[in-house]
Amino acid sequence: AQTVTQSQPEMSVQEAETVTLSCTYDTSESNYYLFWYKQPPSRQMILVIRQEAYKQQNATENRFSVNFQKAAKSFSLKISDSQLGDTAMYFCAFMKADNYGQNFVFGPGTRLSVLP
Amino acid sequence: KAGVTQTPRYLIKTRGQQVTLSCSPISGHRSVSWYQQTPGQGLQFLFEYFSETQRNKGNFPGRFSGRQFSNSRSEMNVSTLELGDSALYLCASSLGVGGTDTQYFGPGTRLTVL
Repeated sequence: AQTVTQSQPEMSVQEAETVTLSCTYDTSESNYYLFWYKQPPSRQMILVIRQEAYKQQNATENRFSVNFQKAAKSFSLKISDSQLGDTAMYFCAFMKADNYGQNFVFGPGTRLSVLP
Repeated sequence: KAGVTQTPRYLIKTRGQQVTLSCSPISGHRSVSWYQQTPGQGLQFLFEYFSETQRNKGNFPGRFSGRQFSNSRSEMNVSTLELGDSALYLCASSLGVGGTDTQYFGPGTRLTVL
C-alpha cells in the first residue's frame, strides 16, 4: 500500500518570499503520478502541479515548482513570490498509473499562511 | 465550460437514515471519483466510476455505494448513517481513468449526521 507523508502540519511565510513544502511517499510501484493540490478556505480543491514519475524533469507552473527525487521518494513544492491568495491547505497526493482505476492517496496536508 | 457541480451543498441527517449525494462532471468527462474528507482521517478515496462501471474502490464499508449514469453524472449513497460519516464529500471528474488526465474537484457536500 502507498503512503504519503507531509511532515509540516503548519507553515507561514511572508508575502513575496519563497517557501518549500515537504512531501515523502512510499511505494513499490515504478510508474505513478504525484500531485500537489491546494484547498483554500472556500474548500474547493484546486490542482497546483502534477508530475509523472517517468519524467526526470521537475514540473513547473508559474510560481510553483517541484523538486522530485524519485530515488529518495521525495516530492517537495516550492512557492516563489508568495501571495496572500496562496493561503490554503496543501495536499500532496500519489496515484498509481494503471488503467484499472485510480487509487488516490493523499497526505495529511500542510496549512500554509501567507502573512502581509 | 461549467465546472464540477455537487448537490446538495449541505445536508443534515440523523443516525440510521440514508443519504444520496449527486455529482455532475465537467461536460465530456467520463470519470467520476468520490472522496471523503474528515479532520481525523483526512482525504480518503471512496471509489471511481468510468463509463458506468466502478473501476476502483477504497477501503470503506459496504454502506457506501455509488453509481454512474449514461450521461456520466454520478450518485453516492450512504445507508444506515453513523455519526462518523459526518464529513465533506468531494467528487472529482476527469476525461479518463488513471493519472493521465487531470482531476477537477467540485465544491463538496457537507454532510452532518446527528
